[in-house]
Amino acid sequence: GAGVSQTPSNKVTEKGKYVELRCDPISGHTALYWYRQSLGQGPEFLIYFQGTGAADDSGLPNDRFFAVRPEGSVSTLKIQRTERGDSAVYLCASSLAGTGVGGELFFGEGSRLTVL
Amino acid sequence: QQQVKQSPQSLIVQKGGISIINCAYENTAFDYFPWYQQFPGKGPALLIAIRPDVSEKKEGRFTISFNKSAKQFSLHIMDSQPGDSATYFCAAYSRGVYNFNKFYFGSGTKLNVKP
Repeated sequence: GAGVSQTPSNKVTEKGKYVELRCDPISGHTALYWYRQSLGQGPEFLIYFQGTGAADDSGLPNDRFFAVRPEGSVSTLKIQRTERGDSAVYLCASSLAGTGVGGELFFGEGSRLTVL
Repeated sequence: QQQVKQSPQSLIVQKGGISIINCAYENTAFDYFPWYQQFPGKGPALLIAIRPDVSEKKEGRFTISFNKSAKQFSLHIMDSQPGDSATYFCAAYSRGVYNFNKFYFGSGTKLNVKP
């Protein structure tokens, strides 16, 4: 597609359930980022992939959060044993830029997660 | 620790006026400073960006002013229009330092331009 695609756009789940959020980046973009945006806040870094590997996962809040990008394209953010505090919009972004190079981030429209 | 501090949190400007949003950072390793614009229900989109080797960059009605010594930068929107009403985020990025190979965002400024 022309832009970064995220699915689902909305996800409502119950506390304790497992959730997967998918990101399909712009074709050819090697860098992929996951951010979390709480209401009224700026995007908060979660994890950065360069190709298939997680180059920096320092933003993942705890071990309930995990992300993969097995073929260097689509990425899935996985949240286990969801908690109400996980409710937020999860943004995916991709970039032509790789490690050590700055460049434009292209964001998807986000996946809004609500944990009841 | 918040790497980029942004103010004000919200801003109301009359049509035709100048909107000014300010950001400050601490880490001198940052070397790329973009501004993103976000409309409700959409992801942020790059508006304009600057590197620290220049003090000002202008694109149409949007200008970034950069003060390296003060570690501050600001976005000026001239002749503000109702269509500019959105949330604006400043950000900072370092190209050369592994631990900072990510974009840090400010907390956002919600701009409302009144007709």
